[in-house]
Amino acid sequence: NAGVMQNPRHLVRRRGQEARLRCSPMKGHSHVYWYRQLPEEGLKFMVYLQKENIIDESGMPKERFSAEFPKEGPSILRIQQVVRGDSAAYFCASSPDRSGRNTEAFFGQGTRLTVV
Amino acid sequence: AQSVTQLGSHVSVSEGALVLLRCNYSSSVPPYLFWYVQYPNQGLQLLLKYTSAATLVKGINGFEAEFKKSETSFHLTKPSAHMSDAAEYFCAVSSLQKLVFGTGTRLLVSP
Repeated sequence: NAGVMQNPRHLVRRRGQEARLRCSPMKGHSHVYWYRQLPEEGLKFMVYLQKENIIDESGMPKERFSAEFPKEGPSILRIQQVVRGDSAAYFCASSPDRSGRNTEAFFGQGTRLTVV
Repeated sequence: AQSVTQLGSHVSVSEGALVLLRCNYSSSVPPYLFWYVQYPNQGLQLLLKYTSAATLVKGINGFEAEFKKSETSFHLTKPSAHMSDAAEYFCAVSSLQKLVFGTGTRLLVSP
């Protein structure tokens, strides 16, 4: 059973370009979470999705950032018109279909975005 | 809202010494608490979790944590550090179906 798969592992974008980060959850998981980790900081929650629905986007910046988890295919975190401050590691996590408060999340290895 | 505070951004120990990483929580409901470990350039791996079944929780790699309601703490310990334990450790609390993380503690192990 493959773990949470994120790609690419490393992504370099010039200022103003778009970044697309992909996450395939573990088999049998329908809950996906995106977190951002800035250097020397902890993980900050961005968004929580279930298939075709955004459940909680309270951590998403109001502009340029969007996320989706379509019925088929991976979850996508999209950052438009990237700026240097977007440089960070972005982690995806998933949890099983019958998740409750006591259910842990399983993390991917992250995508390290560098904006030059 | 639930939150956790990790005291000490860096902890240094000698190989074979006791490891103690501190985590205090704030929660208006009985908390579900987690410890994760992150090795360099890797994702997060679950060490252990507290879900109210037992106050002393044993995890992987010889780590354990004790839930103390009176102290609102969930400190992580290991009796004897290995060089391979050098990593960053994150405490987290479950809040509204998502995990809220502390700022992390980097564990340094010297020979």
